[in-house]
Amino acid sequence: NAGVTQTPKFQVLKTGQSMTLQCAQDMNHEYMSWYRQDPGMGLRLIHYSVGAGITDQGEVPNGYNVSRSTTEDFPLRLLSAAPSQTSVYFCASKNPGEGHYEQYFGPGTRLTVT
Amino acid sequence: AQSVTQPDIHITVSEGASLELRCNYSYGATPYLFWYVQSPGQGLQLLLKYFSGDTLVQGIKGFEAEFKRSQSSFNLRKPSVHWSDAAEYFCAVFNFGNEKLTFGTGTRLTIIP
Repeated sequence: NAGVTQTPKFQVLKTGQSMTLQCAQDMNHEYMSWYRQDPGMGLRLIHYSVGAGITDQGEVPNGYNVSRSTTEDFPLRLLSAAPSQTSVYFCASKNPGEGHYEQYFGPGTRLTVT
Repeated sequence: AQSVTQPDIHITVSEGASLELRCNYSYGATPYLFWYVQSPGQGLQLLLKYFSGDTLVQGIKGFEAEFKRSQSSFNLRKPSVHWSDAAEYFCAVFNFGNEKLTFGTGTRLTIIP
């Protein structure tokens, strides 16, 4: 199993550009989520999904869109990038419900918006 | 709402010395607690977790953590650190109601020879 994969590893955008961060998992996990990591702030939840066709907002959703058309993929879209979105983005997955609490993290995407 | 506090932003320890990283949580019920480690430029790796039972839990790489309900703490310990332990460490609490994981702000560990 590859686990959770993320592409690209690094990305530089200009203000106002759009892009999609890709996330895929091959563990058949229902629950997937996106976090951003900023210095001194830990990881903050952006959006999450408990299954295909179901998404919800996390702690810091503004400026980001998500969709979940398949169990495997959970892309994160920036429609109009802003310098405040410069961050490291992590995707994670797990199975929801009793007995399934451990989240598995991807390697991250480092995004710089100039 | 749940929260996690890691009061130490940065800790420096000599190689071979013991280590304790502090974590305090706020959660209305019995917490499920985690410690993750992030090496430079890498993703997060689970070190250990506490769900119930024995309050002293063992993890990978020689780490352990002790859950103390009376102090709302879940401190991470290692008796003798190695240079490869230099990394950032995150404590997290799981919320059953919304299936969300809330992280602390992290503690960066530096190891000196």
